[in-house]
Formats: sequence, structure tokens, C-alpha cells
Amino acid sequence: NAGVTQTPKFRVLKTGQSMTLLCAQDMNHEYMYWYRQDPGMGLRLIHYSVGEGTTAKGEVPDGYNVSRLKKQNFLLGLESAAPSQTSVYFCASSYTTTEDYEQYFGPGTRLTVT
Amino acid sequence: RKEVEQDPGPFNVPEGATVAFNCTYSNSASQSFFWYRQDCRKEPKLLMSVYSSGNEDGRFTAQLNRASQYISLLIRDSKLSDSATYLCVVNFYSGGYNKLIFGAGTRLAVHP
Repeated sequence: NAGVTQTPKFRVLKTGQSMTLLCAQDMNHEYMYWYRQDPGMGLRLIHYSVGEGTTAKGEVPDGYNVSRLKKQNFLLGLESAAPSQTSVYFCASSYTTTEDYEQYFGPGTRLTVT
Repeated sequence: RKEVEQDPGPFNVPEGATVAFNCTYSNSASQSFFWYRQDCRKEPKLLMSVYSSGNEDGRFTAQLNRASQYISLLIRDSKLSDSATYLCVVNFYSGGYNKLIFGAGTRLAVHP
């Protein structure tokens, strides 16, 4: 049971380049999330998905797109990277329905945009 | 004002010490409360949920005061392995989903 995995672990982009971050979970969770974590700030939700084929915006969605074509995968895309998108990106997944639930996080992707 | 506020620390304590972290939240509609632990350059992991009646898990005790919108975490008999950042997390239902709001974290360093 791998839990939540993310690829790549590290990436350096130049301004204007694009990339896709992949998240995969093997726990059959319905909900999946993408967060970013910046120094001195809590994790902030970028986008989330409540099931295969559905996505929705979180707190800080601008500059990002997502897709959930398969239940186990959640992709985060940066179409035109900007230095402000330098951050650590975490994917997470969870069960649904109850309010008292745990989110399981992947190991993170460290992205630097120069 | 941040929705979840924590003292960033760091708290530097010797092994065996008792240390307490506090957290305040601004949304009175918040429904669930958690402490997550994040080791350096690692992902957050759930440490414990926080219930109104207070709850204990070994050396860890969590308390919730809804009237004051305040959450605490007490660690007794600190171990070197407790060194980490502790994230206060608040959940409430908004915009069609259960929304988790993370505090920026309190860093704990336990030294020999």
C-alpha cells in the first residue's frame, strides 16, 4: 500500500514554462486535493475533486488547472509558470461524508520557478 | 486576521519537559479540529483530533474551548523525536465541501 505518491519530487522551471504534477492514491478515496505551502503560511487549497471527472476551485486557483480522469489520479497543471508559484505542492486524499476525517498527504513536490 | 493563528515558535525545550501550544480560530461555524505533525521537509500527518471534552493519546493531550475559539496541545515528557512543526487545523463546511484551514504551524525543537 503506497498511500499517496507524487511525481516529480523536485523541479526547476523557467518563467513561462509549463508542467504537470501527478498525484496517485491507492486507498480508493473519493476526495483528492492540491495544496501549496509557503514559508510562514499554512497550507492553502488550490483545487480539489470530490470524485472522478469532477474538480472545483479552492482558495488560490489562479494560474493552475486540474484534471481527475481516473479516481486514483489527480493532475495539477501550470500552463505558464511564474516565480510566485515557487512553493512546495502537496497532494492529499480522504474519504467523504463525515466531517471528522483524515487527509492523507503525499511527500510533496518542491517547485522553483526562476 | 488569519483564520487560524499559531505562535510560530520555535519552542526550544529539554528532553522530559512539558510544552504547550495554543491556537485560535476565527470562524465560529468551525466543526472539527485537529493537530497535524509535519517533520522537516516531509508531509503533514494527523497527530490527533480534538474533541470538546478534551482527549488524550499517551503523552499528548488536546483541548478545545469553543466559547473562546481556542485549541491547545500539551506534550508531556518531551522526546527528541517530538521535534517537528505542529499544525493546528480547523474544519468547516463551506461552498459545498468540508474545508480544512491550516495554521502556519508551531515549531518544536527538543534538545538533550
